[in-house]
Amino acid sequence: EPEVTQTPSHQVTQMGQEVILRCVPISNHLYFYWYRQILGQKVEFLVSFYNNEISEKSEIFDDQFSVERPDGSNFTLKIRSTKLEDSAMYFCASRGVSSYNEQFFGPGTRLTVL
Amino acid sequence: AQTVTQSQPEMSVQEAETVTLSCTYDTSESDYYLFWYKQPPSRQMILVIRQEAYKQQNATENRFSVNFQKAAKSFSLKISDSQLGDAAMYFCANRRRPNYGGSQGNLIFGKGTKLSVKP
Repeated sequence: EPEVTQTPSHQVTQMGQEVILRCVPISNHLYFYWYRQILGQKVEFLVSFYNNEISEKSEIFDDQFSVERPDGSNFTLKIRSTKLEDSAMYFCASRGVSSYNEQFFGPGTRLTVL
Repeated sequence: AQTVTQSQPEMSVQEAETVTLSCTYDTSESDYYLFWYKQPPSRQMILVIRQEAYKQQNATENRFSVNFQKAAKSFSLKISDSQLGDAAMYFCANRRRPNYGGSQGNLIFGKGTKLSVKP
């Protein structure tokens, strides 16, 4: 069964450093999402991406964040200068072409900012 | 703005018994979807069940069923014959219908209910 994959599973970084979180969506999906979950809190939407551009973004997704699909398979989330409060679980999700289709989530990347 | 409220931070059920998890939501959309996701200790989000708002019939997936009351904006999840593997965080989520060229239907989650299953 096709699945969304994410790497790395756990990333530890120093405050102020740049990190790139990688996701490989399901191959025939066209819509991509990033969510984050701070420990013990609810899952929050960050950004959606379609046709090589951002469709929507939340107020969390400020200028420190960026996304791209560099090679047609990977979908990345970059945090330019990490802050302590960026420590969270980051989930990638993808969805097929039909509006009925569910979003399939990856296993997440745990980001720890020290 | 869309909101999802889960008023039960924790619930407990005896193995083989039935448990109902509550969820209410608020939306100005007329066409939307509702979901229950399960998040076990591994943290991966797994879809449990989905309900289209235009459908009056409650969705059912094996031991999982929902009670969807559109006028009351209520969407509860019933787990029958609970199993130890059902222990997890359960998140209720709302998603508006995607508009091609516009909103891609991001999910709005509740805070979750932690379900424990006692042997």
